[in-house]
Amino acid sequence: DTEVTQTPKHLVMGMTNKKSLKCEQHMGHRAMYWYKQKAKKPPELMFVYSYEKLSINESVPSRFSPECPNSSLLNLHLHALQPEDSALYLCASSQEVSSWTGELFFGEGSRLTVL
Amino acid sequence: KNEVEQSPQNLTAQEGEFITINCSYSVGISALHWLQQHPGGGIVSLFMLSSGKKKHGRLIATINIQEKHSSLHITASHPRDSAVYICAVTTLNTGNQFYFGTGTSLTVIP
Repeated sequence: DTEVTQTPKHLVMGMTNKKSLKCEQHMGHRAMYWYKQKAKKPPELMFVYSYEKLSINESVPSRFSPECPNSSLLNLHLHALQPEDSALYLCASSQEVSSWTGELFFGEGSRLTVL
Repeated sequence: KNEVEQSPQNLTAQEGEFITINCSYSVGISALHWLQQHPGGGIVSLFMLSSGKKKHGRLIATINIQEKHSSLHITASHPRDSAVYICAVTTLNTGNQFYFGTGTSLTVIP
């Protein structure tokens, strides 16, 4: 199994809603990532989890709250988002051995629209 | 300045043409990755390389560490190759961070 599975594929929410994006991998990878991608732009790193601990937070607003319940799952909790947060949210995973990350596996993404 | 620069930004080719996409980087790397993203879709890893050359089907990736340059070649291009191709690097001292190029949007016309 070399897949990273993301749900939902599409999400429309209002600015007062609370929703969550989910990501799952069963490759035994110990590094998991959330990226945000706007149209025609490269992915922007949001968070990195290493061995289920948050290791990098790229100054992301607190309305985005990541959670790593176990080594296979990564969630992104959304609350009080703004229309400019509308984007494709990509989850990825990789092996982590000191400074050698290995190949990066991406999910299909969750396309979020904030009304 | 971006750590990873790609060229061209946009590329249109006729079916069957040989295609080259270039990537230059300015940092010490542990690996360079070529990724493919179809419209509206997720990203697929094509190659990960740290030296030399790799081939997979009609795709070939090369890297010159001394010149800090990599190329992705597509032979006998096909409309299904139409996608955005992204070069990304992992650096020597930030192993689990990826730095992305801005991507090359390829359209192959039948």
